[in-house]
Amino acid sequence: GAVVSQHPSRVICKSGTSVKIECRSLDFQATTMFWYRQFPKKSLMLMATSNEGSKATYEQGVEKDKFLINHASLTLSTLTVTSAHPEDSSFYICSAPSQGRGQLIEKLFFGSGTQLSVL
Amino acid sequence: AQSVTQLDSHVSVSEGTPVLLRCNYSSSYSPSLFWYVQHPNKGLQLLLKYTSAATLVKGINGFEAEFKKSETSFHLTKPSAHMSDAAEYFCVVSVKGGYNKLIFGAGTRLAVHP
Repeated sequence: GAVVSQHPSRVICKSGTSVKIECRSLDFQATTMFWYRQFPKKSLMLMATSNEGSKATYEQGVEKDKFLINHASLTLSTLTVTSAHPEDSSFYICSAPSQGRGQLIEKLFFGSGTQLSVL
Repeated sequence: AQSVTQLDSHVSVSEGTPVLLRCNYSSSYSPSLFWYVQHPNKGLQLLLKYTSAATLVKGINGFEAEFKKSETSFHLTKPSAHMSDAAEYFCVVSVKGGYNKLIFGAGTRLAVHP
């Protein structure tokens, strides 16, 4: 089946630094990718929709300047957490729909997630 | 508004015994409901889905779920747990709107003991 690779799986950084998370569709092209965030013991929440060649669409309450999304190619989207603070510590996960007919939900493939810890 | 509540954050069973992971939803119209599984260091994998057809849905690896509108529930079951079933399970409702937004439950961690 389709594979979405997310890197790194775990990152620890100092407060004030920036961290980049990559999401790659390995065997299919993705014009759209989704970024989610999960707080401890909470649900995965959609942060933004990444669109190849155009600006990302952010969900209400998500700071655009804080969470920079770039979707420069059909197989790569990046999420950069800028000037990270301890409250940004969380589990981030991306997903991408493969091509083909059918409901989006059936074509959605997820990365393995990134655990970010900001000290 | 749509929401999903997974009633147990952790469930522990012995190998060979039944599994029950509970999920309740809230939706203003007929929802599409899903269960995803995430094994350690792996991406989320779709287990099964309900999209207004048969209320008893069979998925992969012997799992099934029953949609009960009167109880607003979509519990996940398996008759006999296997060690490889140990993972995190997410109940999800789909909000139809453009690209089908997904509303995730908080997850249930299933532990299977020998």
